[in-house]
Amino acid sequence: GEDVEQSLFLSVREGDSSVINCTYTDSSSTYLYWYKQEPGAGLQLLTYIFSNMDMKQDQRLTVLLNKKDKHLSLRIADTQTGDSAIYFCAERPMDSSYKLIFGSGTRLLVRP
Amino acid sequence: KAGVTQTPRYLIKTRGQQVTLSCSPISGHRSVSWYQQTPGQGLQFLFEYFSETQRNKGNFPGRFSGRQFSNSRSEMNVSTLELGDSALYLCASSLLGTGREETQYFGPGTRLLVL
Repeated sequence: GEDVEQSLFLSVREGDSSVINCTYTDSSSTYLYWYKQEPGAGLQLLTYIFSNMDMKQDQRLTVLLNKKDKHLSLRIADTQTGDSAIYFCAERPMDSSYKLIFGSGTRLLVRP
Repeated sequence: KAGVTQTPRYLIKTRGQQVTLSCSPISGHRSVSWYQQTPGQGLQFLFEYFSETQRNKGNFPGRFSGRQFSNSRSEMNVSTLELGDSALYLCASSLLGTGREETQYFGPGTRLLVL
């Protein structure tokens, strides 16, 4: 089946690193995505990783993929107050490649 | 390159009415997908269009329908609105929709409130 799970809430201090975790169930997933949603806005694509990769780094963002455990994480270095938002993990299954399966989102609060 | 645009941004309707939402994809993108976002159900896939044809449909009642025009712009329609249809409706576009390196880019959404 298709299911993506995330913790609901994370609070960090400005300047610290944030790590948002996600687990997925579909082992056929081809791509895994991280989207950011600010209040009242749509989804902004942050980064994505292909399922045969272990890690991808993009400026302050690091994505780690443990395919064996079906675990995905997003690390934000030097977290800023502007990073406060909801972060969604999404998978794109091989047999349903036309759609994304989203997690419920993790609300990140960055304290000054 | 302009992003995905959606109109209107906000809409208030009453139960029983119908509504039409519009989405213009990124230039050159031919696949348009629609998602519904609610606090209770999260983000759920509605349907996907490619070359004016609905290729895939999520688990929503027939009151939800859509279409795509030859310029890839898409509309979705909800008839006989119910209170539970209040949601943020997001449109996403991608080049072909099924390629290995396809990425979906989302618009800002249309927030629908049904009273």
